[in-house]
Amino acid sequence: KQEVTQIPAALSVPEGENLVLNCSFTDSAIYNLQWFRQDPGKGLTSLLLIQSSQREQTSGRLNASLDKSSGRSTLYIAASQPGDSATYLCAGLRVNAGNMLTFGGGTRLMVKP
Amino acid sequence: NAGVTQTPKFQVLKTGQSMTLQCAQDMNHEYMSWYRQDPGMGLRLIHYSVGAGITDQGEVPNGYNVSRSTTEDFPLRLLSAAPSQTSVYFCASSPLSGNEQFFGPGTRLTVL
Repeated sequence: KQEVTQIPAALSVPEGENLVLNCSFTDSAIYNLQWFRQDPGKGLTSLLLIQSSQREQTSGRLNASLDKSSGRSTLYIAASQPGDSATYLCAGLRVNAGNMLTFGGGTRLMVKP
Repeated sequence: NAGVTQTPKFQVLKTGQSMTLQCAQDMNHEYMSWYRQDPGMGLRLIHYSVGAGITDQGEVPNGYNVSRSTTEDFPLRLLSAAPSQTSVYFCASSPLSGNEQFFGPGTRLTVL
């Protein structure tokens, strides 16, 4: 069974800290890796997509990396803000399975003022 | 662009009732899919479509039907609702295989 694991499950940091969220996957057929943000009671907002030919992607204060050989991805958030508080989900894309995303359990982030 | 839209936002059903969850996208995306999100289980794929007239089963298809008559719309039908189908349902779309997927705001369904 393919699995995507996110560590830690929850994280609380003071405002201004740089932080790293981890995502690991066991499925070698995972093609791309997508990071999402989910606010309570809301839908998923796409943050970054890393395709298999890339090693990292950046958007503002966010940087995501992908190492397929080790089955790991990280999401780096610089200078965290209270507005960054949300659940962050990583999902591996398996192209040979109907474009199916396999999701991790998420990391609940709280940034305290 | 409105992106991916879903209706209704909330729905309460009684066991055995049927209903259709609506999903539409205005981005001309080929791929559309339905996921359900449950505590402790994460998001799981129910059904997906690679284009109008083409659908296939995902990880948890039992109890659900789909059809894709147009590129824009991908409704999800519950034929006979069961309490186990209480969940939050998300529709997603993407332009091509392997590309970024976009999600709708979700439908929160409770089956009594």
